[in-house]
Amino acid sequence: EVRLVESGGGLVQPGRSLRLSCAASGFTFDDFAMHWVRQVPGKGLEWVSGITWNSGTIGYVDSVKGRFTISRDNANNSLYLQMNGLRPEDTAIYYCAKGGPVMVRGPVNWGQGALVTVSS
Amino acid sequence: DIVMTQSPLSLPVTLGQPASISCRSAHSLAHSDGNTYLSWFQQRPGRSPRRLIYKVSNRGSGVPDRFSGSGSGTDFTLRISRVEAEDVGMYYCMQGTHWPVTFGGGTKVEIK
Repeated sequence: EVRLVESGGGLVQPGRSLRLSCAASGFTFDDFAMHWVRQVPGKGLEWVSGITWNSGTIGYVDSVKGRFTISRDNANNSLYLQMNGLRPEDTAIYYCAKGGPVMVRGPVNWGQGALVTVSS
Repeated sequence: DIVMTQSPLSLPVTLGQPASISCRSAHSLAHSDGNTYLSWFQQRPGRSPRRLIYKVSNRGSGVPDRFSGSGSGTDFTLRISRVEAEDVGMYYCMQGTHWPVTFGGGTKVEIK
């Protein structure tokens, strides 16, 4: 069974940084692309970032380019999202998601989410 | 980015009755590889999204057969043949044909 467990969320002031982690299990981690998707509570879904199995291709939504960095550690079955220069509009639940073999096709399985609140 | 438009925004349904959700794309989702990368996700209250349907009409693992997907090009439909209480929640379509991935705004299914 695919299991994705996010950690690292919390309350942070505008302009500060936060790093989200995702521990993956139940599948061969380095066979699949991975994604971060966010959801403002009570609102819809927004894809944030994706990374191929070997980190060879990475993508971001325009609103986070230059501020967020996605990375993965295949040896430890982990996915990360480094978030710098956080803004109030980044407040959301951040989901770690397993993709398919091809990153551009999007997420398949989702974690339980980590709440990030950006406020002074 | 490809805009995905869902309707209706809210769908009150009677238990045991069918339900239908529409998803329209601003551009064709037919890929040059012959596939159409349109998925449907269910999000129950307080839960994470769960993929129901992929490539228009393929049910995901463990998804009940009362859920079905259809469509082509720019117009797609998710149908629930007989709504059950556990089907309450939000439903989202997602396209994975064009980069970046984009989602529809969601449809809320509730019991009358």
